[in-house]
Amino acid sequence: EVQLLESGGDVIQPGGSLRLSCTAAGFTFSRYTMSWVRQAPGKGLEWVSAITDSGGATSYADSVKGRFTISRDNSKNTLYLQMNSLRAEDTAIYYCAKGVSSEYRFDYWGQGTLVTVSS
Amino acid sequence: DIVMTQSPDSLAVSLGERATINCKSSQSVLYSSNNKNYLAWYQQRPGQPPKVLINWASTRESGVPDRFSGSGSGTDFTLTISSLQAEDVAVYYCQQYYDNLRTFGPGTKVEIK
Repeated sequence: EVQLLESGGDVIQPGGSLRLSCTAAGFTFSRYTMSWVRQAPGKGLEWVSAITDSGGATSYADSVKGRFTISRDNSKNTLYLQMNSLRAEDTAIYYCAKGVSSEYRFDYWGQGTLVTVSS
Repeated sequence: DIVMTQSPDSLAVSLGERATINCKSSQSVLYSSNNKNYLAWYQQRPGQPPKVLINWASTRESGVPDRFSGSGSGTDFTLTISSLQAEDVAVYYCQQYYDNLRTFGPGTKVEIK
């Protein structure tokens, strides 16, 4: 059974930094592109970032480019999102999502971790 | 960027009746080399993460009830719930995976009338 468990969400002041983690189980983590998708309170889904299976390529939404960095450690089956220069509009539930082979879609999602940016 | 829109924003349907949700992309998500539409539908129940229902615009994921169906091509797509059940109360999102920006529609909330 595929399991994705996010952690690291917290209340953080504007301008601060936070690192999210997503631990994967139940599939061969190193074979799949992984993404972060966020959802602001009461709002829709917004894809944030993705990283290829080897970690050799990354992509970002314009809203986070230059502030967020996605990475992975395939030896630990773990995905990360380093978030710097946080803004109030980054407040959201952050989901880890597993990709489907080389396609830009998702077949499994974690339960999410809440990041609140507030003074 | 490919912009996804959905209509309506919300709808209330009686149990057992049909629900229809529309999704439109700002440019075609039909890939000519394989004649596939790079469009997925997700269901998000209250307090839960999204769950994929349909890929390639019309292919149901394993385990998804057959009352859910997807149709359309190019830029216009439809998700139909043929006979609404109580457990179908949720927000439904379309998503294009034609390009790597993976954009979602704004969602359509389905409620029981």
